[in-house]
Amino acid sequence: NAGVTQTPKFRILKIGQSMTLQCTQDMNHNYMYWYRQDPGMGLKLIYYSVGAGITDKGEVPNGYNVSRSTTEDFPLRLELAAPSQTSVYFCASSSPYGGLNTEAFFGQGTRLTVV
Amino acid sequence: GQQLNQSPQSMFIQEGEDVSMNCTSSSIFNTWLWYKQDPGEGPVLLIALYKAGELTSNGRLTAQFGITRKDSFLNISASIPSDVGIYFCAGQDTQGGSEKLVFGKGMKLTVNP
Repeated sequence: NAGVTQTPKFRILKIGQSMTLQCTQDMNHNYMYWYRQDPGMGLKLIYYSVGAGITDKGEVPNGYNVSRSTTEDFPLRLELAAPSQTSVYFCASSSPYGGLNTEAFFGQGTRLTVV
Repeated sequence: GQQLNQSPQSMFIQEGEDVSMNCTSSSIFNTWLWYKQDPGEGPVLLIALYKAGELTSNGRLTAQFGITRKDSFLNISASIPSDVGIYFCAGQDTQGGSEKLVFGKGMKLTVNP
């Protein structure tokens, strides 16, 4: 298993540009998450999904959109990039089996700079 | 929403010392997880706890799930330089049936050789 794979690893965007951060997992997990981590800070939840076709806002959803058409993929879309979106983005997945075994596995992150 | 308070926010210790960190919640969790993040990497799971009162060890790491289900601690014994990183606690949110994970803000550990 590859686990959680994020692409790209690095990206520089100009203000106003758009892009999609890709995330795919091969563990058949039903829960997937997107977090952002600013320098020296903790993880802030952007969006999450409890299964294909279902998404919910997290703590900081403004400026982002997500979709979950399949169990494996959970792309994060930035429509109009702003300098405040400069951050490291992490995708994670988990699969609660009746409330147990809820370990979340993380991707390696995407470092995004908006200039 | 759920709140996790993780403390301390940072620690500077000498190699060989023990270190403790804890997380408290405003409400009950039924799962507590501890992660470590190395610089430039994603968080990696260290220990998972599923039962109130559970005490689990992983090498030099020991973690406990509080009896009240609102707290957890992580101890690292005999620290070494590679213990440097950010440690996160995470709890499973049982309110509203969403079961999403909630993370603490992290504890940055520096180990001086």
